Amino acid sequence: ETGVTQTPRHLVMGMTNKKSLKCEQHLGHNAMYWYKQSAKKPLELMFVYNFKEQTENNSVPSRFSPECPNSSHLFLHLHTLQPEDSALYLCASSQEYGFTDTQYFGPGTRLTVL
Amino acid sequence: EDQVTQSPEALRLQEGESSSLNCSYTVSGLRGLFWYRQDPGKGPEFLFTLYSAGEEKEKERLKATLTKKESFLHITAPKPEDSATYLCAVQSGNAGNMLTFGGGTRLMVKP
Repeated sequence: ETGVTQTPRHLVMGMTNKKSLKCEQHLGHNAMYWYKQSAKKPLELMFVYNFKEQTENNSVPSRFSPECPNSSHLFLHLHTLQPEDSALYLCASSQEYGFTDTQYFGPGTRLTVL
Repeated sequence: EDQVTQSPEALRLQEGESSSLNCSYTVSGLRGLFWYRQDPGKGPEFLFTLYSAGEEKEKERLKATLTKKESFLHITAPKPEDSATYLCAVQSGNAGNMLTFGGGTRLMVKP
């Protein structure tokens, strides 16, 4: 595996379900990010982790819960979602947060909330 | 608050018809401007980073330029495989080093 991988690629869930999205980066980076991309809207940053510590939470509802067990893995735990949470969820990584370095994105998870 | 506006929202070109995409930005202390390409259903793919006004970068048929208020992505003699959404993002010290993205330009190149 190379770059940034995400699983699953597609997910359909009901509003009462609990699911998790997984991201893994194979680039030796220390910063990882979750973004949300909705139709007709710019990419929205959700969370940033730098050296496993959460450094940014962009006013995200508590029904989204991130977890970063190490610098290579990032999870997004989902519970009690709403239909408006349906979107493409993108994971990205960079060498280190706080510097002008490039973020590399994974392929995304297409989430549909029924 | 950092702001990024991309125009046009959509652009249709014939193969070989050169054009430019615009990214206008308002930031306090630009640290970097990034261009990405995104194909449908996929994550953004990094193209260029520009750091200061006057800087230019090229890759195949693409050339990115930067002024103090905007960036252009010039596409020379495009091919159908250049069809994608092109995203612009800025990073400034004002926003805590986060990236602020524009809405993107969807480019369609017809053979």
